[in-house]
Amino acid sequence: AAGVIQSPRHLIKEKRETATLKCYPIPRHDTVYWYQQGPGQDPQFLISFYEKMQSDKGSIPDRFSAQQFSDYHSELNMSSLELGDSALYFCASSLTGLGEQYFGPGTRLTVT
Amino acid sequence: AQSVTQPDIHITVSEGASLELRCNYSYGATPYLFWYVQSPGQGLQLLLKYFSGDTLVQGIKGFEAEFKRSQSSFNLRKPSVHWSDAAEYFCAVGYHQTGANNLFFGTGTRLTVIP
Repeated sequence: AAGVIQSPRHLIKEKRETATLKCYPIPRHDTVYWYQQGPGQDPQFLISFYEKMQSDKGSIPDRFSAQQFSDYHSELNMSSLELGDSALYFCASSLTGLGEQYFGPGTRLTVT
Repeated sequence: AQSVTQPDIHITVSEGASLELRCNYSYGATPYLFWYVQSPGQGLQLLLKYFSGDTLVQGIKGFEAEFKRSQSSFNLRKPSVHWSDAAEYFCAVGYHQTGANNLFFGTGTRLTVIP
């Protein structure tokens, strides 16, 4: 069965640079979520989209933005990167109403 | 506000022994409850979920969990642990926002399995 696809899997950036993470949800899933997991931490909800509209916002810094496109894929844009942004970034998708979120393998971002 | 507590940071069990991982939640309405497992450097895999109905839910890999409203708990159990179960386990509570069910995770319990 198709799973959530995230790209790239690994990304190394320098401070103050920008990064774009991509997420391709499971086919027919209309809801996308972004989570950030720091080293040894639990995943923290950043933002979610339903039917291409922002649904909810969590602890997402103002330097980050995200959107969901017409084909339901989503991109997380991160600017002015800081060392503390180094983390695993997970995308998850769900089919509205079912409540089950299926997670992608994550993108490991390292900021040097 | 939603919150999830996993009191045990690290648990060590012998292979073949039974397992119970604790999870307590705080939520104003009927929660959606989940258990996820994460192997090192990997993504999160859904083990099981509770939305409504039967309070004892069965999941994958032989896991089960029981929802106890009176105790605000959703403990994960397995009768006989296998070495491959060693991983990080996260309990999560979901609430329904417009079209989305956002998750709040507990801090996780790391399971070590001794041969």
